[in-house]
Amino acid sequence: NAGVTQTPKFRVLKTGQSMTLLCAQDMNHEYMYWYRQDPGMGLRLIHYSVGEGTTAKGEVPDGYNVSRLKKQNFLLGLESAAPSQTSVYFCASSYRAKVYGLYNEQFFGPGTRLTVL
Amino acid sequence: AQKITQTQPGMFVQEKEAVTLDCTYDTSDQSYGLFWYKQPSSGEMIFLIYQGSYDEQNATEGRYSLNFQKARKSANLVISASQLGDSAMYFCAMRGGTSYGKLTFGQGTILTVHP
Repeated sequence: NAGVTQTPKFRVLKTGQSMTLLCAQDMNHEYMYWYRQDPGMGLRLIHYSVGEGTTAKGEVPDGYNVSRLKKQNFLLGLESAAPSQTSVYFCASSYRAKVYGLYNEQFFGPGTRLTVL
Repeated sequence: AQKITQTQPGMFVQEKEAVTLDCTYDTSDQSYGLFWYKQPSSGEMIFLIYQGSYDEQNATEGRYSLNFQKARKSANLVISASQLGDSAMYFCAMRGGTSYGKLTFGQGTILTVHP
């Protein structure tokens, strides 16, 4: 049981390059999330998914796209990277809220440190 | 909209002493949940404790307790008998009742435990 895994762990991009971050979970969770963490700002939600084939925007979605073709995977794409997207990206997953009510702990991946030059 | 405020950028505590990390929140939801996460220097996010808005008792998990004051909209984390391994960033977070589990995080508090 690996929990939530993220690929890659580190990446350096040049401005304008594209890349995809992969998140995988083996807990059969319905909900998945992408957050970014910047110094002094805590974690902010980029996009989320409440089930296979569905995605929705979070607080800071601009410049990112996501896809959830399989229940266990949630991909975050940067089509044209910008220095403002330099950040640590966290993926998380949880059960549907109805299963345990509001006490649905989010399980986090180890993070991806992305630098855009 | 939900908002979490952590007003202490950094806190210091002596080993074996207790420390309180402050968290205030704002929401129009009647039903919500409050979480505390720990982020050590290695970077992973570790869940510590949860408090539901309808829970009558303050949550406790080992050395962690949550001082929940609903009327004041505060959810402070109390760490008793601090250990050197408690040195880390601590985040308060909130989930609303209809938010599909989305968390809103505070800015975090860096705790340093001195020997």
